[in-house]
Parts: sequence; C-alpha cells; structure tokens
Amino acid sequence: EADIYQTPRYLVIGTGKKITLECSQTMGHDKMYWYQQDPGMELHLIHYSYGVNSTEKGDLSSESTVSRIRTEHFPLTLESARPSHTSQYLCASSEPGQGYQPQHFGDGTRLSIL
Amino acid sequence: AQSVTQLDSHVSVSEGTPVLLRCNYSSSYSPSLFWYVQHPNKGLQLLLKYTSAATLVKGINGFEAEFKKSETSFHLTKPSAHMSDAAEYFCVVNSGTYKYIFGTGTRLKVLA
Repeated sequence: EADIYQTPRYLVIGTGKKITLECSQTMGHDKMYWYQQDPGMELHLIHYSYGVNSTEKGDLSSESTVSRIRTEHFPLTLESARPSHTSQYLCASSEPGQGYQPQHFGDGTRLSIL
Repeated sequence: AQSVTQLDSHVSVSEGTPVLLRCNYSSSYSPSLFWYVQHPNKGLQLLLKYTSAATLVKGINGFEAEFKKSETSFHLTKPSAHMSDAAEYFCVVNSGTYKYIFGTGTRLKVLA
C-alpha cells in the first residue's frame, strides 16, 4: 500500500498548456525523485531532492522543473507542454539511514499531450 | 560505473511451475541490489533487497534472490508461479549515491 501519492493519475491536455504533476508522501522521507518511464522501458531519473530547498537534475535531460518547499511535497511542472512530453511520470522517495535504502513509488501519472 | 542487465525481456511460465528472472550487475563498489514488481498502471513495489548481509534474500509473495559476487548476478526466483505474478519486474543497483540504476525490465507471463 503506497504512502506516496500522485495526482492526477491520467492527464490528456493540449500543446502549450502549463502542467503541474503533484507528488506527496506521508513517510517524512528527505530524499525524493522523479522518473520518466516510456512503455516497456526502464526508468530514467529526471530530478531528485535531498531535502527542503534542495533539487538537482537527473541523468535524463528534461524541460520540466521541480520545487521542494515542504518535505512531503515534490511537484513537477512543465511550463509549456509538447507532444514529446507524453510519457509516464513516477515519483519516489527513499528511506533515511546509512547505506542504500529502497525506494517507495507512487502509482504514476500517465501524461498525454495532444 | 554501475550497470544492470536483465537477460530476458520476456519470460513465460505455467502456473505452478518455478520462476527464474535473471539479473547481472556491474558496480565499482559494494552494491545494494533490489527487485521491484510493476503491475499495469501501477508504480513499482519493492519485492526484496540485498544490502551486504545474507546472500540469500527472502522477499514478499514467496520470491527470493541470491547474491553471487563471483558471477555478479542477482537472479530472482519463486518455486511456484501464480497468475497474480504476471507483471513487469525490474532489477535495480545502487552504490550509495542518488543513482538507482534500473534494468530494462522482464515481463513475466503466467499461463493457466
């Protein structure tokens, strides 16, 4: 059962619109991540955050931006959506502590840009 | 550098027969390894993790995996497949940074 929530689950919208994908977690995790996943493909990291006011770009270049004003909230914004942004976006957080902790994932937002 | 290779993109088994999903990894440091399952239109759910303790790791839903350093493998197994196991499975490696490296996934099909 997920303690990390993404809204909307599905979004179909026209080119040029501004979009914000919401991600919230109730576990108090400092580390949060956004991934992009195309059908049948692996996940690619587009943004990550180590805590409030800390955000970094991931390995996959993305025109999206993120913010981290509160620990529990990590929204992703596209200022002007394009068909190339059509994909599934997954938000995750990872457990605190030393070493390499597993990630918890939301159910994703499937975005279609017309 | 880290990398993960899932050796099979698709695996089909009959219900009640064993499951083997293969994963090889490459890491410069002592890695942590994870297996996740993704059902359609869902996020990824953690099945099990290896973090340098016991090499045989037991996970949820009857899955287990064995870490073999000499073979750089972390294969996922289950003695008896159930219809509900049909899903996409991802092997993931992390060596202590923000980077979790995902394999390309193995789609498991379970035949009645």
